[in-house]
Amino acid sequence: QKEVEQNSGPLSVPEGAIASLNCTYSDRGSQSFFWYRQYSGKSPELIMSIYSNGDKEDGRFTAQLNKASQYVSLLIRDSQPSDSATYLCAAARNSGNTPLVFGKGTRLSVIA
Amino acid sequence: GAVVSQHPSWVICKSGTSVKIECRSLDFQATTMFWYRQFPKQSLMLMATSNEGSKATYEQGVEKDKFLINHASLTLSTLTVTSAHPEDSSFYICSPLKAPNNEQFFGPGTRLTVL
Repeated sequence: QKEVEQNSGPLSVPEGAIASLNCTYSDRGSQSFFWYRQYSGKSPELIMSIYSNGDKEDGRFTAQLNKASQYVSLLIRDSQPSDSATYLCAAARNSGNTPLVFGKGTRLSVIA
Repeated sequence: GAVVSQHPSWVICKSGTSVKIECRSLDFQATTMFWYRQFPKQSLMLMATSNEGSKATYEQGVEKDKFLINHASLTLSTLTVTSAHPEDSSFYICSPLKAPNNEQFFGPGTRLTVL
């Protein structure tokens, strides 16, 4: 069974600190990985995608992928209270039109 | 990115009525559309997958006669909740698939409350 595991949190970090969110996946056939942010009462918003091993940076966000360890992470630098949300990790095989496999999400709270 | 709209954003209806939710991908064509629902403080639950011009594939436990999905064009998909009951009250979210990287984007969601 394909699974994506995340620590449910809550993860609390002070404003300005680095928030580190982690995710593992079970399907070695997964090729694409995504991080979504979901505010309470809203739908998920795609913030990062990563397809190859290593780091990918976009503004304050850095996604890291290690396929050998089946591990994906998201770092948020200079965390802001507005970053407080649930972060969903997702994986896909890129074969046909199969839906993403989502983790249950990690709740992040940035304390001012 | 991608722009996805859903209408209505919220709806309150009486038990036994039917509600139609529209989802449009405004700046790209989506061959495949996923429909999710989410109950308060719970994870996204995939309800069904639809491909343009084909019948939808429903997840186990989702009644296909109750949740009618139509994906007649590459930019429009609809979900109709037939004979809605209070237990159908939920947040319904569409998610079109965007080529070539098969990125899933989400509509803003429709909050359904059945009295």
